[in-house]
Amino acid sequence: DAGVIQSPRHEVTEMGQEVTLRCKPISGHDYLFWYRQTMMRGLELLIYFNNNVPIDDSGMPEDRFSAKMPNASFSTLKIQPSEPRDSAVYFCASSLGVDGQPQHFGDGTRLSIL
Amino acid sequence: QQQVKQSPQSLIVQKGGISIINCAYENTAFDYFPWYQQFPGKGPALLIAIRPDVSEKKEGRFTISFNKSAKQFSLHIMDSQPGDSATYFCAANISGGYQKVTFGTGTKLQVIP
Repeated sequence: DAGVIQSPRHEVTEMGQEVTLRCKPISGHDYLFWYRQTMMRGLELLIYFNNNVPIDDSGMPEDRFSAKMPNASFSTLKIQPSEPRDSAVYFCASSLGVDGQPQHFGDGTRLSIL
Repeated sequence: QQQVKQSPQSLIVQKGGISIINCAYENTAFDYFPWYQQFPGKGPALLIAIRPDVSEKKEGRFTISFNKSAKQFSLHIMDSQPGDSATYFCAANISGGYQKVTFGTGTKLQVIP
């Protein structure tokens, strides 16, 4: 059974470039979450969706960040323009909308902005 | 207050010893408390979880102790092994359709032979 699939696994790009991170949630899961992990700030929730609709984007750091979920099997997190302080590991997670069900995380995208 | 405070930040334990990680919360609406384990290069994965109607839950070498009145809970790893070396996150959320989870800051555990 495939887990949450994220791509790319690693991304290195120069400041000012557009970055697009991709996520395929587990089939049947109706919640999707985007997190950012850094040494300084730990695991931060950026945004989450329910049935493809954004529910809470209060964690999105600024307007340079945007996320979409055009269908139940795909989501993107875009940073435009990117800055060195955006360097982090970005995780996507999905879950069933049932109490007590865990979030299933992908293996993350390690993003480095030079 | 949505915070979950976790300590210590890092922990070194001898093989065979007991690892203890503590968490505290303020929001009394939290009613589900999972622990996640994260290995390097991987995403966090659910390890064990508890609801506040029980004071303890044990799964193998892993035990959660829960103190509702103190709003604290802890993870105990008995007979710690080098393979347990990972980062551990406590978390909390509210049942009833709210799938948003509040994570602690994480504890990096190193078990030395």
